[in-house]
Amino acid sequence: AQSVTQLGSHVSVSEGALVLLRCNYSSSVPPYLFWYVQYPNQGLQLLLKYTSAATLVKGINGFEAEFKKSETSFHLTKPSAHMSDAAEYFCAVMGDTGRRALTFGSGTRLQVQP
Amino acid sequence: GAVVSQHPSWVICKSGTSVKIECRSLDFQATTMFWYRQFPKQSLMLMATSNEGSKATYEQGVEKDKFLINHASLTLSTLTVTSAHPEDSSFYICSARDRKSSGANVLTFGAGSRLTVL
Repeated sequence: AQSVTQLGSHVSVSEGALVLLRCNYSSSVPPYLFWYVQYPNQGLQLLLKYTSAATLVKGINGFEAEFKKSETSFHLTKPSAHMSDAAEYFCAVMGDTGRRALTFGSGTRLQVQP
Repeated sequence: GAVVSQHPSWVICKSGTSVKIECRSLDFQATTMFWYRQFPKQSLMLMATSNEGSKATYEQGVEKDKFLINHASLTLSTLTVTSAHPEDSSFYICSARDRKSSGANVLTFGAGSRLTVL
């Protein structure tokens, strides 16, 4: 079964600092990978997705992620954190067969300090 | 873009009553809808997959008689929590896949419904 592991349940950065949220996947075949953001008491918003077209994926709000097969990683980065980036971030994987549902990681809460 | 409306966003009910949550795709037809459950400070866990016109497929450990899912049309799926108990209190989120892009891998999520059972 496909799965993702998010390292670090909480990450705190200063405003303007680099954001790095880690995600490693476990899949026997090339996966579809996603990053979602969730604000308190809200649903999920898609930040970006990897579908094998390009290893470096650019998303919304200045976020990007790089697919590294050798490291089975799909880390999320943003060069300069903004206060509004404070939220919960989920990495997710989708299989290419069957029901093709999303399987989520445990989430990382990003805090941005002024 | 694709929009999924989920209603109600908040609901409080007494123990033993049933609660229905609706998930509607507003500008597209959804062949498949997924229902997730999220406990406080935890991740989303898939409960069931519903396909229009057929019975839902439930994940292991999810009671199908307690969480009734109906996907009667291409734009509406409902989740009914029957005989709710305090342990059913949670955040329920639906997501949908566009029929026109059934080969696509993007799901649109509703805003979620927070259920509190007293």
